[in-house]
Formats: sequence, structure tokens, C-alpha cells
Amino acid sequence: GAGVSQSPSNKVTEKGKDVELRCDPISGHTALYWYRQSLGQGLEFLIYFQGNSAPDKSGLPSDRFSAERTGGSVSTLTIQRTQQEDSAVYLCASSSQVNTEAFFGQGTRLTVV
Amino acid sequence: AQSVTQLGSHVSVSEGALVLLRCNYSSSVPPYLFWYVQYPNQGLQLLLKYTTGATLVKGINGFEAEFKKSETSFHLTKPSAHMSDAAEYFCAQKRGSSNTGKLIFGQGTTLQVKP
Repeated sequence: GAGVSQSPSNKVTEKGKDVELRCDPISGHTALYWYRQSLGQGLEFLIYFQGNSAPDKSGLPSDRFSAERTGGSVSTLTIQRTQQEDSAVYLCASSSQVNTEAFFGQGTRLTVV
Repeated sequence: AQSVTQLGSHVSVSEGALVLLRCNYSSSVPPYLFWYVQYPNQGLQLLLKYTTGATLVKGINGFEAEFKKSETSFHLTKPSAHMSDAAEYFCAQKRGSSNTGKLIFGQGTTLQVKP
């Protein structure tokens, strides 16, 4: 596609439920990032995929969070047993080479009630 | 460890006044530096970037930034603010000389432009 696509754009879920957030990066981009943006906060790094290398998971806040990237393209961020503090906008980005800028999707707004 | 510090979470200027948003980085290797802008309810858009070469870089919408290694800074400026510049601005860095492309962001600065 022309840009990074994220789905759903909005998700409301009940506390304790699992959610999956999807990211379709720009075709051919080898690097993919997930960030979390809470209300009034900056961008919190979650996880980074680069080609076939092991992902950098150093930003995942707890073991309830996981992400995978299938076939070097689409990525899914999974949050298990959601908590109210998980409510945030989850942003995905991709880049074509290691040292160029990242292109961001519009984000998924997650609300845990 | 890499880090990015943006001085001032909120900056307010009058329309037509100079815009100065401050960013300092911490990196043991030459960084690649970026400024992104986020308009309300939108995703992040690249304003400008520094990788190598000329230290003064120009971006979209009349913004520019200067990489100053001695000051470990990459401040964003615009000579004359427009109402449409009201947004949140993020400074970011990557390691410039390795294959670790993790993008580290500052906490962001909200720019308010008063008429």
C-alpha cells in the first residue's frame, strides 16, 4: 500500500480481554516499530523488528504484551488480559533501511473499560 | 545509552514570532536525528532529518534545524510562526553507525500559537 496501515483504528475492550492490533507496513520496508502513546505522554518504544534478526523487545512493559511479524511483512501486537492502564494509542511505523526515517500509521486507539 | 531530551513540554509563541524548540541527544556514536510533527488526531509526519553532511537541514513548512555536535543539540526553528504550526513536535535519534535502527523519541513539545 501507499502508507502504513493499522487496524482497527479504534478498539474498545473490557478489562481482562485479549486484543490484537494489526500493522501493515509499507511494501518492501524491512524495519517495523511499535510505539505506545498515552494521553499527554510521549512515544514509548515497545518493540522493533529488523529483517530476519531477533526483534528488540526491550520496551515491552510486561509479559502480557507480545508481537510477531509474519513473513517479514504484517505485524500483530497482542495484549493479553488487558488492564485500564493499557488504554493508549498504539502506533506502528516502518522504514526501508536501518538508517532512514520511519513512516507512521494513523494508530489504533485502544480503550479498556 | 541513547536518550533524547526536549526542553519544555509546552511552548507558546505569538503568530509571526520565532519558533525555537529545543532538543538534546545523548549518544556514544554519531546519531541520525529527526524531527516529527503530530497534528491533533493524526499520525506522525517527518519534518526534517540529519544523517551526514551539512549540519543545517531544512524541512517542510519553513522549519529548519542545526546539528551541533559540540552541544549535542538539534534545535528546531522557524522564523515566523503560523497558526497552522500548532501541534506536537517530537525529536528522535537513531544510532548512525551501526545496524541498530531503534528510533528513540523525546517526550514531545506542544507548540501553541497565539493570534
